[in-house]
Amino acid sequence: NAGVTQTPKFRVLKTGQSMTLLCAQDMNHEYMYWYRQDPGMGLRLIHYSVGEGTTAKGEVPDGYNVSRLKKQNFLLGLESAAPSQTSVYFCASSFGGTGIMGYTFGSGTRLTVV
Amino acid sequence: GIQVEQSPPDLILQEGANSTLRCNFSDSVNNLQWFHQNPWGQLINLFYIPSGTKQNGRLSATTVATERYSLLYISSSQTTDSGVYFCAVSTGTASKLTFGTGTRLQVTL
Repeated sequence: NAGVTQTPKFRVLKTGQSMTLLCAQDMNHEYMYWYRQDPGMGLRLIHYSVGEGTTAKGEVPDGYNVSRLKKQNFLLGLESAAPSQTSVYFCASSFGGTGIMGYTFGSGTRLTVV
Repeated sequence: GIQVEQSPPDLILQEGANSTLRCNFSDSVNNLQWFHQNPWGQLINLFYIPSGTKQNGRLSATTVATERYSLLYISSSQTTDSGVYFCAVSTGTASKLTFGTGTRLQVTL
């Protein structure tokens, strides 16, 4: 039982390059989230999904896109990376509706944009 | 949006000591969680506690929703308790969490 798996774990991009971060969960959770964590700060919500085929914007969505074509996967895309997107990215999942419980987080992706 | 304040920002303890971490929030919440981020960056869910009291081993948490605060108690601290403790809350649907800036705990021998 892997929980929430993020790939890759580390990546260095040049300004203007694109990439996709993959999040996969095997707990049959309805809700999935992408957060970013910057030094000395808490986590901030980028985008989220409440079910297969749905996505919505969070607090800091600019410069990112997401897709949830399958219930177990949530993809985060950077179309044209900028140095301001250097951060650690965390994916999380949880049950939804009346089954709301705690989050399970992935181990994070450390992204550096140069 | 909702504001989440955690105190103290930093805490240094000797092994075996007890501590209390506080989380204040500015609006009614339907979801409150405590997380521990270990020195390797992994985030572990400690408690889902929108109200009431829960205990798990040496850790316990209490949320007084009517007064808009939550407390995390760590007893008999160990070096493995070091890291950053985050409180996070949600006010609406989809359990979208707003995080505090955390309490950094260092437990020394």
